[in-house]
Amino acid sequence: AQRVTQPEKLLSVFKGAPVELKCNYSYSGSPELFWYVQYSRQRLQLLLRHISRESIKGFTADLNKGETSFHLKKPFAQEEDSAMYYCALSGVEYGNKLVFGAGTILRVKS
Amino acid sequence: NAGVTQTPKFQVLKTGQSMTLQCAQDMNHEYMSWYRQDPGMGLRLIHYSVGAGITDQGEVPNGYNVSRSTTEDFPLRLLSAAPSQTSVYFCASSRRGPSSSYNSPLHFGNGTRLTVT
Repeated sequence: AQRVTQPEKLLSVFKGAPVELKCNYSYSGSPELFWYVQYSRQRLQLLLRHISRESIKGFTADLNKGETSFHLKKPFAQEEDSAMYYCALSGVEYGNKLVFGAGTILRVKS
Repeated sequence: NAGVTQTPKFQVLKTGQSMTLQCAQDMNHEYMSWYRQDPGMGLRLIHYSVGAGITDQGEVPNGYNVSRSTTEDFPLRLLSAAPSQTSVYFCASSRRGPSSSYNSPLHFGNGTRLTVT
């Protein structure tokens, strides 16, 4: 069974500190990994995809197949980064389903 | 474009009642899906549809029915509400599907908060 694990329910950091939101996955084929974000009073939206290898709002995430991880990182946290972050998994073997982790609340303190 | 519109925003039901959560999108998206969001469990897929007339089950389909008679609408029906169905429900759509190869991210609605007493 495919699974996405986000071990931290809440991550609290100070403004300017580095951030790493952890995501581990279990998948037998070639995974497709995503990070979605929900800011306060806004809709859930895509932050980034592993296939794009891009940096969005200073966030990056590298797919590590050896460690089956897709951690989200940002070198210097900002207060506006405070939100709920979901890691999500899809793939050819999983058809048209997108499976989400339990989510991590990021709180950036001033 | 309004995007994905969900109604109602809030609903309280008694055990055993039935109701339909509405979802409409105006982006001509082929793919639509329903998730429920529960604390500590994240978002779980209930049902999804890859086009009009086609639906399939997700991770937690029991107690829910869907239909896709048009491209725009994807209603979710609770046949006999139970307290375990108390949750926040999200409808999401994308141009083709969630796979990266389609390059079509999910667009979410604002959610429906349902309480079953």
